[in-house]
Amino acid sequence: GQQVMQIPQYQHVQEGEDFTTYCNSSTTLSNIQWYKQRPGGHPVFLIQLVKSGEVKKQKRLTFQFGEAKKNSSLHITATQTTDVGTYFCSGGSNYKLTFGKGTLLTVNP
Amino acid sequence: KAGVTQTPRYLIKTRGQQVTLSCSPISGHRSVSWYQQTPGQGLQFLFEYFSETQRNKGNFPGRFSGRQFSNSRSEMNVSTLELGDSALYLCASSPFDRRDTQYFGPGTRLTVL
Repeated sequence: GQQVMQIPQYQHVQEGEDFTTYCNSSTTLSNIQWYKQRPGGHPVFLIQLVKSGEVKKQKRLTFQFGEAKKNSSLHITATQTTDVGTYFCSGGSNYKLTFGKGTLLTVNP
Repeated sequence: KAGVTQTPRYLIKTRGQQVTLSCSPISGHRSVSWYQQTPGQGLQFLFEYFSETQRNKGNFPGRFSGRQFSNSRSEMNVSTLELGDSALYLCASSPFDRRDTQYFGPGTRLTVL
């Protein structure tokens, strides 16, 4: 079945450093979604990518969908303590939706 | 618009009991999905309802069931609780007939003793 792998599982950075998490699917995806879950909170929708090679930006966050639509990345420039949390991706194809296990980001002030 | 609401927020039950959790989706959303989240397993899909019909189901035993009402509100039920059912249960609604984009509620934290 469809599998979505996220790497790394954990990432600890110093405030001001950049951070990237990757999402890789075993099958071609129709689209990909990214979510952020703060400690003790619930996942919050960040963005959806649909087109091959698509790049979207939200302030310091840059999201990219691979050309083959099997992978995606989320890059945060100059992390801040407010970026702490777990970042999940979810991928869909044929009405099936699979979540990655997430990357836990911690930021040292 | 108000977000997804879930009740109760916290529950403590003992093994063998049953529990019912409630979810009210964002107004206008007709797709409601349920997830179990644990530290070890991450987000595990339970089932999805659309227009009162279960449209997708994850790999959970029959002790886990759900339903959706005509106003799109949904409930999930877990019977014969086991210790391993302790988890955060999240409900999410989607504005489309596909559940690609999910808006999550705050969850119900279930502890089974």
